[in-house]
Amino acid sequence: DAMVIQNPRYQVTQFGKPVTLSCSQTLNHNVMYWYQQKSSQAPKLLFHYYDKDFNNEADTPDNFQSRRPNTSFCFLDIRSPGLGDAAMYLCATSRDGTEGGADTQYFGPGTRLTVL
Amino acid sequence: AQSVAQPEDQVNVAEGNPLTVKCTYSVSGNPYLFWYVQYPNRGLQFLLKYITGDNLVKGSYGFEAEFNKSQTSFHLKKPSALVSDSALYFCAVRPPRDNYGQNFVFGPGTRLSVLP
Repeated sequence: DAMVIQNPRYQVTQFGKPVTLSCSQTLNHNVMYWYQQKSSQAPKLLFHYYDKDFNNEADTPDNFQSRRPNTSFCFLDIRSPGLGDAAMYLCATSRDGTEGGADTQYFGPGTRLTVL
Repeated sequence: AQSVAQPEDQVNVAEGNPLTVKCTYSVSGNPYLFWYVQYPNRGLQFLLKYITGDNLVKGSYGFEAEFNKSQTSFHLKKPSALVSDSALYFCAVRPPRDNYGQNFVFGPGTRLSVLP
């Protein structure tokens, strides 16, 4: 039973060519996150949506944008991918603050982005 | 500054032996503590979390973790390791306030290898 779905699983793009990664969820969670993970390092939070409210991390490059057209879907747009943007991109979701910050985040399988 | 340390990059254990993956944290107040596991080319999978109460938390796949407030530790344990437990393990902490996503701090990860 897929709960957080990411498409595609593998994405190859060319240097500077815009790319969009997709995330959908069947959990009806109102918070959705995008993380970047490089080479088995810890995931790095790029931004998150709390309902429709967008929250950008201070050090997320402007090259990265996100859209959330409805509760179920969230997109990561990389406007001009550079070689340094090659990474695994992880989408995660959580329910709102019913546990006062102890909300579990549920991750999708990730999209591995290669930049040529 | 909030931080999570996993002092061992790599842990090797023989199948059937007990395993421990260590985590210490530096967070003000009483944080919420999580363990996630990541298999190759997959997203992070939730194992367990500590919110309050009993210091020993039981989770998925026979894993458990012990919260020690005085030592600010949250070590992951399993009585009998399986080869299939070989993966990358992440400890994460979150301070107890309404701050969705922004303060979910991951440790650097520990690679566990269970040898047959």
